Amino acid sequence: EVQLEESGGGLVQPGGSLRLSCAASGFTFSGYWMAWVRQAPGKGLEWVANIKQDGSEKFYVDSVKGRFTISRDNAKNSLYLQMNSLRAEDTAVYYCAKYVSSSLDYWGQGTLVTVSS
Amino acid sequence: QSDLTQPASVSGSPGQSITISCTGTSSDVGSYNLVSWYQQHPGKAPKLMIYEVSKRPSGVSNRFSGSKSGNTASLTISGLQAEDEADYYCCSYAGSSTYVFGTGTKVTVL
Repeated sequence: EVQLEESGGGLVQPGGSLRLSCAASGFTFSGYWMAWVRQAPGKGLEWVANIKQDGSEKFYVDSVKGRFTISRDNAKNSLYLQMNSLRAEDTAVYYCAKYVSSSLDYWGQGTLVTVSS
Repeated sequence: QSDLTQPASVSGSPGQSITISCTGTSSDVGSYNLVSWYQQHPGKAPKLMIYEVSKRPSGVSNRFSGSKSGNTASLTISGLQAEDEADYYCCSYAGSSTYVFGTGTKVTVL
């Protein structure tokens, strides 16, 4: 059974940093692109970033470029999102998700990031 | 990277059919047959319902179908059931390994 479990969310002050983790199991993690998608409270879904199977290619939505870094450790079956210079508008539930055929077929339950003073 | 446009809400009675539109541009929906649709119940993670415009993942009811014409994709739910009440989001590949989601549609079963 495919499972994705996010962790690392919490309350952080504006300008602060946070590192999210996603533990994957039930599939060959190293064989798939992975993504982070976020959802602000009461709002819609927003694609944030994705990463190729071997970590050699990474892509970001414009609003997080230069502030967020996606990475992965295939030996640990883990996906990460390093978030720096956090802003109030980054407040959201962050989901990690697995790609297949340019769509996201499995999602974690999400971790809440709140940016507030 | 502008959001795809969806109607804010769509409603229908049990047994009826409804269609949700998803309008993008020639840079995303119009250029690629890589539109997917997601169902999200309150407080839950999204669930993939349709991929590559019209394909259904294993386990998804055949009451859900997808199509595309030009810059607009559509999701049709036939034989509407109470359990279909949820938010629905489209998503399109937008080139250069980036993606864009739709604004979301709340489906209400009357």
